[in-house]
Amino acid sequence: SQTIHQWPATLVQPVGSPLSLECTVEGTSNPNLYWYRQAAGRGLQLLFYSVGIGQISSEVPQNLSASRPQDRQFILSSKKLLLSDSGFYLCAWMRTGLNEQFFGPGTRLTVL
Amino acid sequence: ILNVEQSPQSLHVQEGDSTNFTCSFPSSNFYALHWYRWETAKSPEALFVMTLNGDEKKKGRISATLNTKEGYSYLYIKGSQPEDSATYLCAFQRSGSSNTGKLIFGQGTTLQVKP
Repeated sequence: SQTIHQWPATLVQPVGSPLSLECTVEGTSNPNLYWYRQAAGRGLQLLFYSVGIGQISSEVPQNLSASRPQDRQFILSSKKLLLSDSGFYLCAWMRTGLNEQFFGPGTRLTVL
Repeated sequence: ILNVEQSPQSLHVQEGDSTNFTCSFPSSNFYALHWYRWETAKSPEALFVMTLNGDEKKKGRISATLNTKEGYSYLYIKGSQPEDSATYLCAFQRSGSSNTGKLIFGQGTTLQVKP
């Protein structure tokens, strides 16, 4: 069976500090991978998606970047966090053609 | 900009009540409409993926309908139970996105069922 891991679960960071959130998927190969953010009082916003190693598509201009160094690893980064980066970050994967996304447990990021 | 709107934003019902909420989405370039349930402290879980106009899907006490021509979907819960309390998200998938799987989510409807 497939599982998806995210860490850390919670994170409190000062403004201007770097960020690295990691997501890994087990039990499948060549999945599509996604990073979403839910800001306070808002819906899920797609930040990045990847259809393969090294392939990253950015959906909204922002202070964040993503990388996919391995088939089942997806990393969300920032060089300098802003207050507006606070939110709940979800990683998801999808098997092409299945049309259903499976979500990880999420990371609650608070930037102070 | 593609807008996916859900209403109401929140809903409080008594146990045993039936309820429904709405998702509206663009009526052009439709590929699929997804419903997810997101319980507190858990990950969102898929309820339905609907692709054909007039589709009706059912899972237990929860069902959904789809009208792609007018751009709306209804989610119904019959005889609500406290364990139905969650945020219900719909997501629009545009034609041409079958490979990318890109979804555009609404803001969700948060349902609280009181015992």
